[in-house]
Parts: sequence; C-alpha cells; structure tokens
Amino acid sequence: GQQVMQIPQYQHVQEGEDFTTYCNSSTTLSNIQWYKQRPGGHPVFLIQLVKSGEVKKQKRLTFQFGEAKKNSSLHITATQTTDVGTYFCAGPRGGANNLFFGTGTRLTVIP
Amino acid sequence: DGGITQSPKYLFRKEGQNVTLSCEQNLNHDAMYWYRQDPGQGLRLIYYSQIVNDFQKGDIAEGYSVSREKKESFPLTVTSAQKNPTAFYLCASSISTGTGYGYTFGSGTRLTVV
Repeated sequence: GQQVMQIPQYQHVQEGEDFTTYCNSSTTLSNIQWYKQRPGGHPVFLIQLVKSGEVKKQKRLTFQFGEAKKNSSLHITATQTTDVGTYFCAGPRGGANNLFFGTGTRLTVIP
Repeated sequence: DGGITQSPKYLFRKEGQNVTLSCEQNLNHDAMYWYRQDPGQGLRLIYYSQIVNDFQKGDIAEGYSVSREKKESFPLTVTSAQKNPTAFYLCASSISTGTGYGYTFGSGTRLTVV
C-alpha cells in the first residue's frame, strides 16, 4: 500500500543550527503539503507544493518538491525555540479525496 | 473568526460505553475528516465526508461511526467495539474535495478509557 516515510523520526539541534526533514513517498504525488504540530497542539497547514522541482520559502523555512514528485524536504535555517514541534508531510491518497500523512519528524531545539 | 471547534477537550470513557466527539466548523468547508493520533505517532484517517449525508471509511473505521446531517457538523462516535480508544482525536476540514487544499484542524479531543 501507499507509504509516506519521513526521516529522521527525531532530531535534537542546538538553537541556531540548521534542520532538515525528508519525506519520501512510494508513489508519485500530484502535490505535497507540510504541517507543523506544536507539543500538545494540533497540526497547522504550512504550505503546498505542486510543481516538479518547486522550491518555496517562508522566512527561515525552505520547502522543496523533488523532480520525480516522490520526495520533498523542509529545511529550517538557524533554528529558534519557536520551531519546536513535529513536522508532517502529507500527500494525496491514491484514488481518494483525502491526504495520507507521513510519520512526522519531531524537532527539539536546545537553547 | 472562522474555525473548527472540537468538544470536549478531554473525555473519559468507561469500558463498554459509547461516547460522541463533537466537531463544528463555520468555514463553509465542504469536506470534513476525522483522524486519530496515538502518542508519538502520525495521523490515521478514521472517516471522511465530502458532502452532507455522505461519508466514507478511512483506514481505521472499525469501532467508530459518524454522521453528516449538516454541512457544519461531523460528530464522531467511539463505540464499545473500539478495543483501544485511548488517543488524541483530530477533526479537520478543507474547502472542497480533492487534495489541492490545506486542511484546517480543530484543537482536538483527548479520550481516555478508565
């Protein structure tokens, strides 16, 4: 069945260091979305990527969609304590109108 | 402000009881979803609805039931048939069917079996 894996599962960084999480799908995706869930909170939509090779930036966050549209990455430059949380990617479930969420990467930022 | 409201925030259920989790949205979104999240885990789809009076099973529908009598409301009932219901339940909505739209999530309900 369809799988969307994220690596790493956990990441601890010193404040100011960079962070990257990778999302890999077993199938080609028409688009990919990224969400952030703060500890104890709910997922919040960050961005959607649609085009092959697309790169989008939101301040210190850079999102990429792979050329083959089977992988994506989220890179955070100079992490801050406000970046703490779990980052999920999500892709369309084949043949259905809903999203399949990745396993998530939990980011801890050490002040 | 528009958004999704889930209630209650915390819910305790005794063995053998059915409980209903409320989800209301005033975003005028057509599609609504229920996900389950276990500690340290991702989100698993329970049920989703693309239009009023219609809904489909997700990956883990067994032991759950839903209704969609109004566009704004998508309640989830956790029945006694659900063997391990302790989890964080998240309701979400999106503007339309299809996957080209971001989901808006409610703040969730934490269900504990006592």
